[in-house]
Amino acid sequence: DTEVTQTPKHLVMGMTNKKSLKCEQHMGHRAMYWYKQKAKKPPELMFVYSYEKLSINESVPSRFSPECPNSSLLNLHLHALQPEDSALYLCASSETARYGYTFGSGTRLTVV
Amino acid sequence: GENVEQHPSTLSVQEGDSAVIKCTYSDSASNYFPWYKQELGKGPQLIIDIRSNVGEKKDQRIAVTLNKTAKHFSLHITETQPEDSAVYFCASEGGNNRLAFGKGNQVVVIP
Repeated sequence: DTEVTQTPKHLVMGMTNKKSLKCEQHMGHRAMYWYKQKAKKPPELMFVYSYEKLSINESVPSRFSPECPNSSLLNLHLHALQPEDSALYLCASSETARYGYTFGSGTRLTVV
Repeated sequence: GENVEQHPSTLSVQEGDSAVIKCTYSDSASNYFPWYKQELGKGPQLIIDIRSNVGEKKDQRIAVTLNKTAKHFSLHITETQPEDSAVYFCASEGGNNRLAFGKGNQVVVIP
């Protein structure tokens, strides 16, 4: 298995909702990432997990809460989002903390 | 932090011609340079990468060259096909667990 699987593919949520994005990989990668991508822009790093521990938080608002239950799973919990948070949320993993990043297809999030 | 510049922003080529996208980076400590292709509605797909101890790498119609002295690297696509139409991102990784992306390049292959 050489894929990063993200669910759901599309999500529409209200500003008072709580939802979670899920990411799974079975490549034995020990680093996992959350990125946010706006239309016609490059991906922007949000969080990095290395060996299941949060190693980087790029000053992301607390309404985004990451979780890494085990080495194969990564979640992003969403609460009280704003319309400007609407974007494509990408999960990625890499064999080490530096090389071989593989991206999932993303979750298209719309906040209404 | 690392700054990656990518040129041109849009590139149109006739089917069968070659396409070249250039990127420059600022951090001399960067030593890993991947290229990603992103099609509409999909996540970025790694198409080729190069590490700083190598000057050139090829994979079928795709090649990447790296000039560490000048701090630039380029993606070369030969015999372009309509399915090569996509947004291409270059990136560099300087040892701090972060990929710095270029702004992206829209490649349009005209049949």
